[in-house]
Amino acid sequence: LAKTTQPISMDSYEGQEVNITCSHNNIATNDYITWYQQFPSQGPRFIIQGYKTKVTNEVASLFIPADRKSSTLSLPRVSLSDTAVYYCLVGVWASKIIFGSGTRLSIRP
Amino acid sequence: GAGVSQSPSNKVTEKGKDVELRCDPISGHTALYWYRQSLGQGLEFLIYFQGNSAPDKSGLPSDRFSAERTGGSVSTLTIQRTQQEDSAVYLCASSLAGGLSGNTIYFGEGSWLTVV
Repeated sequence: LAKTTQPISMDSYEGQEVNITCSHNNIATNDYITWYQQFPSQGPRFIIQGYKTKVTNEVASLFIPADRKSSTLSLPRVSLSDTAVYYCLVGVWASKIIFGSGTRLSIRP
Repeated sequence: GAGVSQSPSNKVTEKGKDVELRCDPISGHTALYWYRQSLGQGLEFLIYFQGNSAPDKSGLPSDRFSAERTGGSVSTLTIQRTQQEDSAVYLCASSLAGGLSGNTIYFGEGSWLTVV
């Protein structure tokens, strides 16, 4: 599984757009990029997955540049309920999946 | 069921006792994972099952921990002679057949273990 690097923590305010960038320099050709969200006292929850360019769903957008060595999770108009830990994972789901430390996002009123 | 089901949701046990935690994955999912998360910490990989292949046990912290998966479905994580440092939430997850990019994993709500 490709090693990922993401900020330990981020702060923002309600109504703002939040962008969390993940670096994955040694991503392999077959690897997908997946983001998970974890609220306190709950298991991680799938947010979005992509391979290249841009993916958008009802929750977030994922931007992946042509070289795929990084990706950016974009959360539009965040609210207090978006306060959580966000994990970036890269790889092929054929083996154990190691979660990094994630990014602890705090949203303020 | 529609999601990954874990039981018990909460367990308080005395130090030295054995505990069993159960995970019922999403129907049709051949891959199953166990993780442990202590309060305020990240997810610690414990063990991974994929179909009929030998499980990847590289994350089990000691020989007091073991897991099995019967019939390629339900899994049981057993902790023998529990210690206070075993107190954590134990999370189970499952996904479709491995080897294919694009699969996602789905987590249960966890089993909260407290050793007193």
